[in-house]
Amino acid sequence: GDSVTQMEGPVTLSEEAFLTINCTYTATGYPSLFWYVQYPGEGLQLLLKATKADDKGSNKGFEATYRKETTSFHLEKGSVQVSDSAVYFCATKTSYDKVIFGPGTSLSVIP
Amino acid sequence: EAQVTQNPRYLITVTGKKLTVTCSQNMNHEYMSWYRQDPGLGLRQIYYSMNVEVTDKGDVPEGYKVSRKEKRNFPLILESPSPNQTSLYFCASRAGLSETDEQYFGPGTRLTVT
Repeated sequence: GDSVTQMEGPVTLSEEAFLTINCTYTATGYPSLFWYVQYPGEGLQLLLKATKADDKGSNKGFEATYRKETTSFHLEKGSVQVSDSAVYFCATKTSYDKVIFGPGTSLSVIP
Repeated sequence: EAQVTQNPRYLITVTGKKLTVTCSQNMNHEYMSWYRQDPGLGLRQIYYSMNVEVTDKGDVPEGYKVSRKEKRNFPLILESPSPNQTSLYFCASRAGLSETDEQYFGPGTRLTVT
């Protein structure tokens, strides 16, 4: 069945370091892909999305490119800040009403 | 302000004592869902509703009930909670089912069943 795999972490980085969180998916057809962010004590918020191959989603300095050939949607940021400390979820939407989430990656950024 | 609210935020209860977690959205969204979040498993969908009086099972519906009598409210009911339902629960809503419809999440309800 459809699934999402992502590195679970926790990931700890120093401020201004480069961030990559890997995400790969298994799905039939051409799913939409998402990254959600969950700050401590809060619900999930949509960070960025891409709806077709080679699309690049971007927001708040984060980017991810929909790579159909490698079934991947890796999240990147060039220079992380302490305020980026959160849990990041990769997700895919295949059928018209089903969103599948990865297990989440905890990121801690230290000054 | 557009938001999804849940109550209570924290709940500790005992096995078998019925409870309800409320969810309300003020965006006139048609589509609402309940998820549970467990370590290493991400979010799993419990139930969803596509409109008033229309509900359906998600991936992990056992032990839960829902109702959708009004568009804005989507309560989650645990008739006889068990310890394996200890989890973090999120309600979410979405305007519709198109690719551009963003899903909005509530702040979460942390439930402990002893």
